[in-house]
Amino acid sequence: SQKIEQNSEALNIQEGKTATLTCNYTNYSPAYLQWYRQDPGRGPVFLLLIRENEKEKRKERLKVTFDTTLKQSLFHITASQPADSATYLCAPYNQGGKLIFGQGTELSVKP
Amino acid sequence: DADVTQTPRNRITKTGKRIMLECSQTKGHDRMYWYRQDPGLGLRLIYYSFDVKDINKGEISDGYSVSRQAQAKFSLSLESAIPNQTALYFCATSAVTGGGQETQYFGPGTRLLVL
Repeated sequence: SQKIEQNSEALNIQEGKTATLTCNYTNYSPAYLQWYRQDPGRGPVFLLLIRENEKEKRKERLKVTFDTTLKQSLFHITASQPADSATYLCAPYNQGGKLIFGQGTELSVKP
Repeated sequence: DADVTQTPRNRITKTGKRIMLECSQTKGHDRMYWYRQDPGLGLRLIYYSFDVKDINKGEISDGYSVSRQAQAKFSLSLESAIPNQTALYFCATSAVTGGGQETQYFGPGTRLLVL
């Protein structure tokens, strides 16, 4: 069955460092993959989309990579700030026409 | 005003009661979704609708039903609520771009407690 794995343990880093979050998927080949941010008690908010033919996508301090051979996406936040603390969800697009969301990785950036 | 609204935002009900959660959107999107989120389990899809006449079950539809009253409105009902339906419920909308991609826009969520 199709499966998405994100780091289940919270990631704690110091302000100014680069945060790297991992998303692995199995048993399907998504045409594209999205990353969302979710703050406690709120709905997820879209951040970035990367297509299967793109290796890397950037937006301000965010960078996403997509390796279709490894079936993995990495999400980087450079020069992290306490305001970046949130849960980040990976969402590969299922060819059945739906986004499938990972469980998310909680990021905590300490001042 | 928010593009995707959910009512109520919080609800406490008793086992066996019927309740309805409502979702409205002003984004003009055809696609609408209902998810539930539980700690450690992430977002799970309950039902989705690609247009007013198209409604589909998601991975956990048992115990739930939906109604797509209009393009802008999608309601989720729990016919006979049970305690394990206690969760945070999200509605989302999306539209498919010319490139065949879609991004989902979420409502603020409804926190439901079934006693």
